[in-house]
Amino acid sequence: ELKVEQNPLFLSMQEGKNYTIYCNYSTTSDRLYWYRQDPGKSLESLFVLLSNGAVKQEGRLMASLDTKARLSTLHITAAVHDLSATYFCAVEGGGSNYKLTFGKGTLLTVNP
Amino acid sequence: KAGVTQTPRYLIKTRGQQVTLSCSPISGHRSVSWYQQTPGQGLQFLFEYFSETQRNKGNFPGRFSGRQFSNSRSEMNVSTLELGDSALYLCASSVQGSGEKLFFGSGTQLSVL
Repeated sequence: ELKVEQNPLFLSMQEGKNYTIYCNYSTTSDRLYWYRQDPGKSLESLFVLLSNGAVKQEGRLMASLDTKARLSTLHITAAVHDLSATYFCAVEGGGSNYKLTFGKGTLLTVNP
Repeated sequence: KAGVTQTPRYLIKTRGQQVTLSCSPISGHRSVSWYQQTPGQGLQFLFEYFSETQRNKGNFPGRFSGRQFSNSRSEMNVSTLELGDSALYLCASSVQGSGEKLFFGSGTQLSVL
């Protein structure tokens, strides 16, 4: 059974600082996704990573995938308050297509 | 382009009742998947449909069922509701269902009393 672990689960940052969220998964997969969820809202897709070494960037967020280490990172550069949200990684595969297994989420709070 | 539409937005039911939730995907999207979100268990996959066929199913009891219509709209049904079924039910659509981003609806918040 595919397991996805995110850490940290809670992250309080100051504006302007950098930080990284880690996503480890237990079985082979080369399809990993990052989503954002604001309080009381639905999920918004951030990145789709489909191969080893894939790197995607959007604004202050950059995601990467290392399929050999079964690890993805979401790097936050010079955080701003608007980035406060819960971030989920999700993995497709492990012998099961069309199904995402989500991590528990990282609640990010960016303080002034 | 209209997003994924889920109805109703909120629902209150009592134990033992059944409920049907509806999801209209983005036009042109043929894959619809359903997820349950709770504070304790997080986001869990229920099932995925493509062209009216269920291609994958999560580890939920048989009380949870779904279907997809020829216009790609989907419904999920939960029979004999239990308190533990209280959750946010999210529907997501995509063109083909794998290797692409999912577009999520706003969800149906189900409360079972």
